[in-house]
Amino acid sequence: QVQLVESGGGVVQPGRSLRLSCGASGFNFRSSAMHWVRQAPGKGLEWVAHINHDSTSVLYIESVKGRFSISRDDSKNTVYLQMDSLRGEDTAMYYCTKDLSKHWSFESWGQGTLVIVSS
Amino acid sequence: QSALTQPASMSGSPGQSITIFCSGTSNDIGYYNYVSWYQQHPGKAPKLMIYDVTDRPSGVSNRFSGSKSVNTASLTISGLQAEDEANYYCSSFTTTNTWVFGGGTKLTVL
Repeated sequence: QVQLVESGGGVVQPGRSLRLSCGASGFNFRSSAMHWVRQAPGKGLEWVAHINHDSTSVLYIESVKGRFSISRDDSKNTVYLQMDSLRGEDTAMYYCTKDLSKHWSFESWGQGTLVIVSS
Repeated sequence: QSALTQPASMSGSPGQSITIFCSGTSNDIGYYNYVSWYQQHPGKAPKLMIYDVTDRPSGVSNRFSGSKSVNTASLTISGLQAEDEANYYCSSFTTTNTWVFGGGTKLTVL
């Protein structure tokens, strides 16, 4: 069964960096596109970033372009989100999700890791 | 890309049917049949309920169904049950190669 486990969240000051990790198991990770989706406290869902199966395509929401970077290490079955120049509005629960191939939807979700940007 | 528009809250009694609408534009819902719906209980991760407008993943009850007309998608829950009380989000792929969510609908089962 699909399992996604996020880690790396915490409290960080504005302008600093944080790297999130998502360990995957229970499916063919090398063939799967992955996403990060976030949810600010008490708010709705917001798609953040996508990486395809072979890292040739990465996509971002406009508000994080130039600050966040998604990557993957297939040898470790792990997807990462490097977050630089963090802002208060980046405070959220960050979910790692598995893409439902060819259907452009979010098939499986981790339990999330909380990022709080505060001085 | 603006968020899709959903009602903030809805309610229904057990056994009833309810329909949640999700309004988009010709650049998202109106362009692609890549509309999906997610159920989220408080403190839990979202769960995929509908993809490609009408399709249900294995294990999702057939009480959940989806449809679309022009720029508006809808999720219908029939035979409402207490465990259906949750937040529901619609989502669509867009012409700018991004994904957009609706603001979410809090469903209360009376």
